[in-house]
Amino acid sequence: DAKTTQPNSMESNEEEPVHLPCNHSTISGTDYIHWYRQLPSQGPEYVIHGLTSNVNNRMASLAIAEDRKSSTLILHRATLRDAAVYYCILGGSNYKLTFGKGTLLTVNP
Amino acid sequence: GAGVSQSPSNKVTEKGKDVELRCDPISGHTALYWYRQSLGQGLEFLIYFQGNSAPDKSGLPSDRFSAERTGGSVSTLTIQRTQQEDSAVYLCASSFYPSSYEQYFGPGTRLTVT
Repeated sequence: DAKTTQPNSMESNEEEPVHLPCNHSTISGTDYIHWYRQLPSQGPEYVIHGLTSNVNNRMASLAIAEDRKSSTLILHRATLRDAAVYYCILGGSNYKLTFGKGTLLTVNP
Repeated sequence: GAGVSQSPSNKVTEKGKDVELRCDPISGHTALYWYRQSLGQGLEFLIYFQGNSAPDKSGLPSDRFSAERTGGSVSTLTIQRTQQEDSAVYLCASSFYPSSYEQYFGPGTRLTVT
């Protein structure tokens, strides 16, 4: 399976935008890019996914590089509730989710 | 609408006892997945149900683990003769589409085997 690389941790201030990067240089042409997050003591939460074009939903935006070797999850205005571990994963037809270490996002009030 | 629910939220059991964990998926979701997450570890896939198809049991760690899904909805994960290494958070997820990466998780059941 193609691997992703994320920073171990990031910090943001409340009400400011947050850009969470993910590198996936060995991505295959059929791999979707998925983002999940996990708040403390909760189950993982689906955030967004995309293939080639940038995507927006009510939670976040996903910006995908033209060569698809990297992507960025954008939280437009961070809130305290956004403090979580964010996971970037690649997937095609295999439904068995596996998470790496992800990025621990701290949001300061 | 209602999300995935799991019960109990916490379960403490003695080594050697059997436990049953329940999952109620989102209404209308045909696919159901079980995972477990040990402290500080990633997700470990256990089993996948899709409609009336034979479940994918490839992730079950031993024959002490079994799961069923009745009526295409509620699922029960059973662990027989529990061991201390079974202690983990057991997570259930469901998806509208089969074999999907867009899965919606419940809050989990924290199992502690003493």
